[in-house]
Amino acid sequence: DVKVTQSSRYLVKRTGEKVFLECVQDMDHENMFWYRQDPGLGLRLIYFSYDVKMKEKGDIPEGYSVSREKKERFSLILESASTNQTSMYLCASSIQRDIQETQYFGPGTRLLVL
Amino acid sequence: DQQVKQNSPSLSVQEGRISILNCDYTNSMFDYFLWYKKYPAEGPTFLISISSIKDKNEDGRFTVFLNKSAKHLSLHIVPSQPGDSAVYFCAAMRNTGNQFYFGTGTSLTVIP
Repeated sequence: DVKVTQSSRYLVKRTGEKVFLECVQDMDHENMFWYRQDPGLGLRLIYFSYDVKMKEKGDIPEGYSVSREKKERFSLILESASTNQTSMYLCASSIQRDIQETQYFGPGTRLLVL
Repeated sequence: DQQVKQNSPSLSVQEGRISILNCDYTNSMFDYFLWYKKYPAEGPTFLISISSIKDKNEDGRFTVFLNKSAKHLSLHIVPSQPGDSAVYFCAAMRNTGNQFYFGTGTSLTVIP
């Protein structure tokens, strides 16, 4: 059974703080993704990675960076948190797409930036 | 630009009746489509998928229909149960690449 875990379920940070969101998957998946979910906007892709040390910008990368030093771990970094980054953050993973496969999601981190 | 659209933000259905959730897409390169279900404070979970070579896929109470010419897919849940109350996202993938494109979600409420 695929397991995707996220380091925190809830986080409260102050404007300007540097924030790290960690995601770990245990299924040796090549692909990992970071989304944010906001009411009325659905899931928007921030960044994804298809291999260690590789990253690709998604639809809304501004204000974020990522790190993938190990295959199982994908970190999302908010360099200087702002109130408009208050959101639900979801990490997902999937295998390389040689077959049609689904993404497996973590439980999410609800971030509040004050 | 939203390539996958769910135009109904919410839907209410009586228990035992059919729920029909709709999704439209604009990119003709999409060849694989999925539905996810999301409860509050949890991550989305995979529900059912369909390849573009099919027009229907069924799994228990859940059936997904794909109309490629209309660029439209729908999820049918029958009979609907209160435990089906959740937000449903449709998603699509291109025949190249690993990125999923998600719709904005439809919140389904099944009334007992």
